[in-house]
Order: sequence, then C-alpha cells, then structure tokens
Amino acid sequence: DVLMTQSPSSLSASVGDRVTITCRASQSISSYLNWYQQKPGKAPKLLIYAASSLPSGVPSRFSGSGSGTDFTLTISSLQPEDFATYYCQQSYSSPTFGQGTRLEIK
Amino acid sequence: QVQLQESGPGLVKPSGTLSLTCAVSGGSISSSYWWTWVRQPPGKGLEWIGEIYHTGSTNYNPSLKSRVTISVDKSRNQFSLKLNSVTAADTAVYFCARGAGVRQSDYWGQGTLVTVSS
Repeated sequence: DVLMTQSPSSLSASVGDRVTITCRASQSISSYLNWYQQKPGKAPKLLIYAASSLPSGVPSRFSGSGSGTDFTLTISSLQPEDFATYYCQQSYSSPTFGQGTRLEIK
Repeated sequence: QVQLQESGPGLVKPSGTLSLTCAVSGGSISSSYWWTWVRQPPGKGLEWIGEIYHTGSTNYNPSLKSRVTISVDKSRNQFSLKLNSVTAADTAVYFCARGAGVRQSDYWGQGTLVTVSS
C-alpha cells in the first residue's frame, strides 16, 4: 500500500491568511494526487485532481502543486467557508487517503 | 448534474453481510467512469473500499478484498456493495462516488451510516 502522510494534522488560521498543507507519499505516485475538502456531516468535495488541476466551480484561491512524493495544497486567502478538514488521496495504485488536516478558526 | 444516492439497512448484525446500493441519476452508469465506494468510521478518516467499471471490472482495497463484492446493474443504473463477516470495526458512514480520469471522485452521494451491532 502507498502510505499518505499529511502535515500538519491540525491548523489554526485566520480569515485572509495564506495556508499550506503538505502531503507526502511513501513512494513515487507521479501526479496521481487528489485533494478533498470535507465539512462535518457532509460528503467530501473534490478540490484538486492530478496534483494541480482545479475542477470547474472550485474557487481559484485553491491551488495544488508537486509530483513524485511531495505535494502541497495552498489556500491563498482563507474565507470563512474554508474551515473544514482536508484530505489528500493517491490514485496511482489502490487508492489511499491521508489522515486529514483539520483547519480551524484562530 | 450527476447525483448519487446510497440506500440500504442502517443496522447489521455482527458476522452478517452489509449490503448497500447506489442509484445514479443524471448520467449513465455505462459511461467511462469508475464507480466507487468509500467509508468513514465515526470521527475518523476516509477509507477507499473499491470500484467497478460498467464492464464489470473491479478493483478492491487489499485489506478488504476477501470480504468485499461490488457489482453493477446497468438496467437500473445502479451499483452495489456487499461486505460480509462484518464486525463493529465496519461501523461507518458509507459513501458512493464517481471516479473520473485519474480516479478522482468528482461526484459523491450524501453517505449512509451503517452500524454493526447485535
């Protein structure tokens, strides 16, 4: 299995802050890396696919980068609706998720 | 707009079989996507269970492979999950989703809680 490790596990930030979440794979996964946002009681929402592609309808303040084993999700200017839990997922082999990063209001 | 809706029993007895169905609307299950199951134990992270293509080709999480079967019913535009020999550790919210080009899940059902308890 490809192990996905996110850091930090939790993060406190303020509206307007720039935030970066990292995800590291235990082996190279090329660019087969997706990011999801999940709010309590809701299904995950796709934010980024193929490491850096933005699905239609996702705000441009979200961006992703990386390839191989190291990836980042950046939110350029936090909005109130961005406080949620974020998961990375590799889809290079049998898909696995990171443990999640909980983004809280400071 | 594609929509997915999970259905099935919310309570399953230990050692029994968990059975869920995901109805797809707004699109054909025979289109070029993988149809996926993901679960989330209460208060914990996401776990990929497996996926099926409309041809019937499947991939399963190695840790669950011996207990999981995913099938597709093209006539009803739905796909199903069976997980046998369940224990309390299988208690979770179960989501169905559509897997696109690099198997990113772009559309999700709202999820259904299945509790394993006697």
